[in-house]
Order: sequence, then structure tokens, then C-alpha cells
Amino acid sequence: NAGVTQTPKFQVLKTGQSMTLQCAQDMNHNSMYWYRQDPGMGLRLIYYSASEGTTDKGEVPNGYNVSRLNKREFSLRLESAAPSQTSVYFCASKEGPRRRNPYEQYFGPGTRLTVT
Amino acid sequence: AQKITQTQPGMFVQEKEAVTLDCTYDTSDQSYGLFWYKQPSSGEMIFLIYQGSYDEQNATEGRYSLNFQKARKSANLVISASQLGDSAMYFCAWSGGSNYKLTFGKGTLLTVNP
Repeated sequence: NAGVTQTPKFQVLKTGQSMTLQCAQDMNHNSMYWYRQDPGMGLRLIYYSASEGTTDKGEVPNGYNVSRLNKREFSLRLESAAPSQTSVYFCASKEGPRRRNPYEQYFGPGTRLTVT
Repeated sequence: AQKITQTQPGMFVQEKEAVTLDCTYDTSDQSYGLFWYKQPSSGEMIFLIYQGSYDEQNATEGRYSLNFQKARKSANLVISASQLGDSAMYFCAWSGGSNYKLTFGKGTLLTVNP
């Protein structure tokens, strides 16, 4: 049971290049989330998927697109990378609301992205 | 929109002493959850403790306890008997609404001195 996995762990892009960050969870969770963390800041929500087949914008969606490929996988795409997108990206997942703690999210290890 | 405030950018504590990290939140929701996460220098987010808005007792998890004062909208983390390995960034977070999104504070960097 690997939990939440993210690939790659590190990436360096040039301005204007595109790439996709991959996230997968093996806990059969319904909801998945993408966050970014900038220096000296907490995590901010980029996009989320409440269930398979649905996606919604979070606090900072500009410059990103997402795909909920199936229940396990939720990818984040940068179509034309900009230096302002240099950040650490975290993926997280969450079960449905039936548990005692309906709010807990499980985080992946993060992807450190640098755009030059 | 919900807002989480952590007013202590950095805190220092002596090993084996207790320390309190402050967190206040602003919400009009009745049902929500409050979390504390630890982020060591290696970067991963480690879940520490959770408090539900309707829980009458303060949450405890080993050396961690959450001092929940609902009327004051305060959810302070208390770490007892600090250890050197507790040195890390600590984030308070709020979750609620229809999609359970997490809203994070800016964090407090805790340094435990030997």
C-alpha cells in the first residue's frame, strides 16, 4: 500500500515548456487535490476533483489544467511554464465523508519544480 | 473565504519543555475540521492531529494536543516534552464546506534547542 505517489520528484523546465505532474493513490479515495507551496507560505489549492469525472478550480488555478484520468490518478499540466510557477507541488487524496474524520487528506511526497 | 492565521513565524523551545503554537481561524461554517501538519526539512507533510468542530473534548495524539476554543476560533497546538526531532515547520489548516478543501496558515518554524 504505497498511499499517494507523485512523479517526478524534481523537474527543471525552461520558460514556455510544458509538462505534466502525475499523482496516483491506491486507497480507493474519492477526492483528490493539487496544492502548491511557495517559500514562506502554506499550501494553496490549485485544483481539486471531488469524484471521478469532476474537477474544479481552487484558489490559484491560472496557468494549470488537470485531468482526473480514473479514480486512482489525477494529473496536473503546465501548458507553458513560467518562472512564477517555480514551487513545490503536493497531491493529496481523501475518502468520502462517512469516516469519523471526514476531512483528513493524505499527502504525496511532493514535486519540486524549477522554471528558469 | 476561510482564513487561517499563525502569528508566530518562528519559535524556540528547550528540549524536554512544552511549547504552544498559535492558530486562529475565521469561518462562518458550523461544521468543519482543524488540523495540524508537520513539515520537516525533508519536505513531506506529516499529519499530526485533528479536531472536529463538534468534538467536545480537545484532541490528543501522544505528545500532541490541540487546545480548541471554539468561541475564540482558536486551535493551538501543544507539544509536550519537546524533542530535537520536533524541529520543523508546523502548519495549521482548516477544512470544511461541500468539497473539504484544506486552507492552510503560513506556518511556524519550531526550533528545539538541546
